[in-house]
Amino acid sequence: SQTIHQWPATLVQPVGSPLSLECTVEGTSNPNLYWYRQAAGRGLQLLFYSVGIGQISSEVPQNLSASRPQDRQFILSSKKLLLSDSGFYLCAWRGTPKDIQYFGAGTRLSVL
Amino acid sequence: AQSVAQPEDQVNVAEGNPLTVKCTYSVSGNPYLFWYVQYPNRGLQFLLKYITGDNLVKGSYGFEAEFNKSQTSFHLKKPSALVSDSALYFCAVRASNTGGFKTIFGAGTRLFVKA
Repeated sequence: SQTIHQWPATLVQPVGSPLSLECTVEGTSNPNLYWYRQAAGRGLQLLFYSVGIGQISSEVPQNLSASRPQDRQFILSSKKLLLSDSGFYLCAWRGTPKDIQYFGAGTRLSVL
Repeated sequence: AQSVAQPEDQVNVAEGNPLTVKCTYSVSGNPYLFWYVQYPNRGLQFLLKYITGDNLVKGSYGFEAEFNKSQTSFHLKKPSALVSDSALYFCAVRASNTGGFKTIFGAGTRLFVKA
């Protein structure tokens, strides 16, 4: 069966520090992968999606970047964190043919 | 452009009573519609989806949703609410021809079921 791993679960970082969040998927190949941010326990904002290795589409211009170095690995990064980067970050992959998105457990990032 | 509206920030219902969580959408072409649920500090979990076929879709945990094309709505329903149904519910839409299969999520509706 397919599983999605996301870590760390919680992260506290100072303003100006770098960021690297990792997401890996098991049990499937060539998945569509997504990074979302959820602010204050409400709506999801799509940040990046990827349809294949090295293929990244950005939805919102911001302080973050994403990379997909391997088929089932999706990384969210920042060179210098801002206070506004705080939030709950969710990784997801899209399953076919059911067209359902499967979410990781999320990373709660606090930038202080 | 795709969009989803969940007009209620919060829905309160007594245990055993029916519940409805509202959702309206806007999309070009045929919509793929979804409901997801989120428990505190967790990722979203899939509940049900509509792609084609019967307008009444049945999903997990006794939930169902009705697709209404003329009203562009996809309301989530359950005949008898449980306290354990208390959570954050998201409606989502995707156009059938969306690049990258991007799904747009609503702002979420918090459901409180009181014992």
